[in-house]
Amino acid sequence: QSVLTQPPSVSAAPGQKVTISCSGSSSNIGNNYVSWYQQLPGTAPKVLIHVNNKRPSGIPDRFSGSKSGTSATLGITGLQTGDEADYYCGTWDSSLSAEVFGGGTKLTVI
Amino acid sequence: QITLKESGPTLVKPTQTLTLTCTFSGFSLSTSGVGVGWIRQPPGKALEWLALIYWDDDKRYSPSLQSRLTITKDTSKNQVVLTMTNMDPVDTATYFCAQKLVIPATFAYWGQGALVTVSS
Repeated sequence: QSVLTQPPSVSAAPGQKVTISCSGSSSNIGNNYVSWYQQLPGTAPKVLIHVNNKRPSGIPDRFSGSKSGTSATLGITGLQTGDEADYYCGTWDSSLSAEVFGGGTKLTVI
Repeated sequence: QITLKESGPTLVKPTQTLTLTCTFSGFSLSTSGVGVGWIRQPPGKALEWLALIYWDDDKRYSPSLQSRLTITKDTSKNQVVLTMTNMDPVDTATYFCAQKLVIPATFAYWGQGALVTVSS
């Protein structure tokens, strides 16, 4: 059971927009920065969003992040088949003194 | 250019101790605000954080695995070593090392991962 809760899967058509939610608590998302990672099949995760809503250099602005209270959301617009991947949210949990990840969300572009 | 690479055995027997080495380049683990962490991923499952070591030798461990884990660094060799004792088949996973930055509090760069199978 992951500390952060994500939907197991989401799907949308090419060109459309999708959002992926990440629910936590005051000890993690509520008081710490959230990152989002993309894991393409057979590869290592890559950071898409850090500090809740900032994109590292080289990440397209089709990817966006937001946080409200104890939940965070990743948004992807202009979906491409190359966006098919697993997406993970992650943050620090102050009560556990541990890095925590969500269970991951599989994005299918159909 | 920042790179990290995991190395170690691909197969270990139950009850044995696993030793993994993360060799990195493009940054120094003596720089303030920099850390290296280990994260694993069982086949078909989610990411699970294991341990972190920071530039000042501050060490953090997963509460559920703390008794089995030790993380150390060799700044001169640009390496971080993770040992996990009493390996079990449920520990079969791909083990990743990643650079952790205090600011912006993210795992900024990841190694390619190393698959470790635990089987007799």
